[in-house]
Amino acid sequence: KNEVEQSPQNLTAQEGEFITINCSYSVGISALHWLQQHPGGGIVSLFMLSSGKKKHGRLIATINIQEKHSSLHITASHPRDSAVYICAVAPYGGSQGNLIFGKGTKLSVKP
Amino acid sequence: NAGVTQTPKFQVLKTGQSMTLQCAQDMNHEYMSWYRQDPGMGLRLIHYSVGAGITDQGEVPNGYNVSRSTTEDFPLRLLSAAPSQTSVYFCASSRRTGTGNTEAFFGQGTRLTVV
Repeated sequence: KNEVEQSPQNLTAQEGEFITINCSYSVGISALHWLQQHPGGGIVSLFMLSSGKKKHGRLIATINIQEKHSSLHITASHPRDSAVYICAVAPYGGSQGNLIFGKGTKLSVKP
Repeated sequence: NAGVTQTPKFQVLKTGQSMTLQCAQDMNHEYMSWYRQDPGMGLRLIHYSVGAGITDQGEVPNGYNVSRSTTEDFPLRLLSAAPSQTSVYFCASSRRTGTGNTEAFFGQGTRLTVV
């Protein structure tokens, strides 16, 4: 079993829809990252969470430490949101910077 | 402030050739790492370094060497390329925040094909 599981693997939405991507993990963590990767592009950090909720523009990330679960929400989705979204966790007590990655969720937003 | 810079962006190698993927960061981060990304799999850690002169193996180190002579640079060397090393490689650097969390920064990636 992977230590970081994301769902769904693939997601197709119509422009304007509300989108949720889920991440569950099985280890104790000091932080959870949501990352974005556009086709053929680099990886950009969207959020780093250790508790609660963060919002940046149309993106909202939440985390429930007790349930070992995080969600990434996109409101009013747009075709430019099409990308792979990756959840990564920093295990508690692990070497600084060692992250465990989910396999990613490929999002396609149709106009 | 350039962040994490990786070169080259694309590379094609013949089996048995050697090459070095370059990675540099200008944020004075102690921690740097190399990952590979393969279809259907999450990023996997190849090697990492917690500071100049210190390196260690990650999950998939075979076939790769690293060195860390300066804080800024962390090159990844493929000694004798194999088709199984066809992948997208990412370099990352990270720092501890004031709250003890790890903030990570990634390079643009190197798409390597070994034929």
